[in-house]
Amino acid sequence: EVQLVESGGGLVQPGGSLRLSCAASAFTFSTYAMNWVRQAPGKGLEWVSSISGSGGTTYYADSVKGRFTISRDNAKNTLFLQMNSLRADDTAVYYCAKAPTVAGQYYFDYWGQGTLVTVSS
Amino acid sequence: DILVTQSPSTLSASVGDRVTITCRASQSISTWLAWYQQKPGKAPKVLIYKASSLESGVPSRFSGSGSGTEFTLTISSLQPDDFATYYCQQYNSYLYTFGQGTKLEIK
Repeated sequence: EVQLVESGGGLVQPGGSLRLSCAASAFTFSTYAMNWVRQAPGKGLEWVSSISGSGGTTYYADSVKGRFTISRDNAKNTLFLQMNSLRADDTAVYYCAKAPTVAGQYYFDYWGQGTLVTVSS
Repeated sequence: DILVTQSPSTLSASVGDRVTITCRASQSISTWLAWYQQKPGKAPKVLIYKASSLESGVPSRFSGSGSGTEFTLTISSLQPDDFATYYCQQYNSYLYTFGQGTKLEIK
């Protein structure tokens, strides 16, 4: 069964950095695009970033462009999100989500359990 | 960006009821729309993709319809396990956007 396990969340001060990881298993990782989606406490879902199966194509929401970087290590079946210049409004549960295809536009067919990022002084 | 508007934001219903949730896109998205169910403290789960295709393992009481800018999710006969929050998501463009959610409550 497909498994996505996020880690790396925690409490960080405004302006700080954090790196999230998502360990994937039970599917051929390199043949699927991967994504990060976040949910602020008590709020709805917000797409953050996507990366193609090869890692060659990336996309970002305007709210994180220039501050967050998505990457992947296909040899280790792991997805990353490097988050810099963090702000209070980045506080959210961050979900790793798999796409049903290698690239293009898509929905999200599997989700991890999420990792909480809290930005506060 | 494509704006996606869901209605209602809250819906009260009883077990056995038929309920419909609507999602409207700010421009045509063909049938590039998915529906998700989320329970408190859990990750979302996909129910419907490409507007009307039922994800494997999802009960047949869930159905989706629509194209262009207007879409609906229908639950034909509510079960106790269906009380949750539902989101639509457009994927016509890679700047994916979600509706604001519909919380389905027990009447």
